[in-house]
Amino acid sequence: NAGVMQNPRHLVRRRGQEARLRCSPMKGHSHVYWYRQLPEEGLKFMVYLQKENIIDESGMPKERFSAEFPKEGPSILRIQQVVRGDSAAYFCASSPSPKDQPQHFGDGTRLSIL
Amino acid sequence: QKEVEQNSGPLSVPEGAIASLNCTYSDRGSQSFFWYRQYSGKSPELIMFIYSNGDKEDGRFTAQLNKASQYVSLLIRDSQPSDSATYLCAVSGSARQLTFGSGTQLTVLP
Repeated sequence: NAGVMQNPRHLVRRRGQEARLRCSPMKGHSHVYWYRQLPEEGLKFMVYLQKENIIDESGMPKERFSAEFPKEGPSILRIQQVVRGDSAAYFCASSPSPKDQPQHFGDGTRLSIL
Repeated sequence: QKEVEQNSGPLSVPEGAIASLNCTYSDRGSQSFFWYRQYSGKSPELIMFIYSNGDKEDGRFTAQLNKASQYVSLLIRDSQPSDSATYLCAVSGSARQLTFGSGTQLTVLP
């Protein structure tokens, strides 16, 4: 499967725990974007990363959320001390370059907070 | 605040008809325009993208862009029940992030 790979597909956490969401971009893609879709709401941009660099994190909540895209391995979206309001679908997208290239989405991680 | 507005749904069309989906955007610096289809509980799937004014056709889908009017549309010809989904308009500019509309839910009636 050469598409964007996200895991886990479903993640259940209790309030106060940490959630780690992983994303491997399509082969040949070095640009990764994370989006969040709250229940009954639209997709909202969170963060844009290249290998080892955060390019734009203007959509990230200021606290508890962080993202990385190391030289080796997948991109990680980390949510510390989760709260009920973090329950959402988190989608990762990738593109080969940012200029005029469509972003292709993974299947998403559905995060549920108990 | 950059905004993308889509015509409110839900939109219902009979099978075989043309479905017309509309989108306006507020940022004149927007450069790239996309239509994604999202089935319930699934991820967005890229349908069309357009960068220049005019029409772009791909099979049963036609995207239309008018930058002067800040308007982009998607036409689906010979609509099929399998086209029933939520259609998301997305816009990007120099920042490269996608700004999405809230989506239009399309139902194609057999």
